[in-house]
Amino acid sequence: DAGVIQSPRHEVTEMGQEVTLRCKPISGHNSLFWYRQTMMRGLELLIYFNNNVPIDDSGMPEDRFSAKMPNASFSTLKIQPSEPRDSAVYFCASSLYRGQSNQPQHFGDGTRLSIL
Amino acid sequence: AQSVAQPEDQVNVAEGNPLTVKCTYSVSGNPYLFWYVQYPNRGLQFLLKYITGDNLVKGSYGFEAEFNKSQTSFHLKKPSALVSDSALYFCAVSPGRINYGGSQGNLIFGKGTKLSVKP
Repeated sequence: DAGVIQSPRHEVTEMGQEVTLRCKPISGHNSLFWYRQTMMRGLELLIYFNNNVPIDDSGMPEDRFSAKMPNASFSTLKIQPSEPRDSAVYFCASSLYRGQSNQPQHFGDGTRLSIL
Repeated sequence: AQSVAQPEDQVNVAEGNPLTVKCTYSVSGNPYLFWYVQYPNRGLQFLLKYITGDNLVKGSYGFEAEFNKSQTSFHLKKPSALVSDSALYFCAVSPGRINYGGSQGNLIFGKGTKLSVKP
């Protein structure tokens, strides 16, 4: 079965550019999560969706970050304008939520983002 | 507030020896508990979970974890470590209440423990 698919796997861009990260969750999953991982801060939850609706975006660091989920099979995380401190590995995860949070999240292999 | 603690940043074990990676949690109600493993340049992979029932849970790659309600712990164990078990391990928790507001599948992750198994 296909897992969570993220693209691109690597992104290198210059400061000030717009960056768009993409995620395709596992088919049938109704919750989707965006995380950021750095050595300094570890794994941070940025935002999560349930049934395509954003539930909690309190982890989004600044207004420069935005996320959308236009349908059940696609989500984007956008950074505009990007800054060097945004350099990190960004993970997308999905899970099936049926009233209790007793299902594991399944992670993609991440996008390694470097802002020069 | 709900939280997960992994008190050791790193655990070093000799191959063939038993290993334990510690996790304690703080959450109201009966929690759901998870362990994940992360290999270099990969996403987190689900290892096992405790929902209810037997306190000893068995998972992938020979790992198991013991739920201890009185000590609010969920330690990960393996009887005989392999060099290939070297990775970053994360404990995670979610509240066990139905339709807990604002927690539609969300998990709270610990900071991770780096396991190093030497030959």
